Amino acid sequence: EAGVAQSPRYKIIEKRQSVAFWCNPISGHATLYWYQQILGQGPKLLIQFQNNGVVDDSQLPKDRFSAERLKGVDSTLKIQPAKLEDSAVYLCASSFSGQGAYTGELFFGEGSRLTVL
Amino acid sequence: KQEVTQIPAALSVPEGENLVLNCSFTDSAIYNLQWFRQDPGKGLTSLLLIQSSQREQTSGRLNASLDKSSGRSTLYIAASQPGDSATYLCAVISSQDNFNKFYFGSGTKLNVKP
Repeated sequence: EAGVAQSPRYKIIEKRQSVAFWCNPISGHATLYWYQQILGQGPKLLIQFQNNGVVDDSQLPKDRFSAERLKGVDSTLKIQPAKLEDSAVYLCASSFSGQGAYTGELFFGEGSRLTVL
Repeated sequence: KQEVTQIPAALSVPEGENLVLNCSFTDSAIYNLQWFRQDPGKGLTSLLLIQSSQREQTSGRLNASLDKSSGRSTLYIAASQPGDSATYLCAVISSQDNFNKFYFGSGTKLNVKP
């Protein structure tokens, strides 16, 4: 079974430039998550999708970050314009469901490491 | 709001030692608890998932326990090896606004010395 796919693995940009990350979840997983992980910290949820709808984007800096999951499968996270403090690893994850007692395990991709200079 | 704490933040042990990693959470109304391993520069790898009706799960040298009433979980690693060196994170799954959320601790960085 294929895991969560993410690209690119690494990206280096200048501040004020834009960047986009792509994620393809495990087949059949309804819920997709984007997390930001700063070195030495646990993952911080940026946005959670249930199929193609947004469930939670309360911690997404909407003035610069945007995300979409148009067909309820793969997703794109965009940052424009980037700031120095956006340097982090962006992790995509998926789970079978986001509701009820059976959410199932959370599976992560390898992550996309962003460096903003 | 659910808060998850992992103590200690870092741990160094000699090879062969048995060890326990701790995870505590503030709200006992959880569905599941999941333990992950993260190697440097990598994503998180799922180790064990404990459902709220279970008290423990085992996989090889790993054993995870869950005590919902006290808001605690432990990950026991038997006969540690240098290859176990990584950061271990726990996450609790709680319901909020009809959707489930994963709340993460900051992790325990484990170093197993040869």
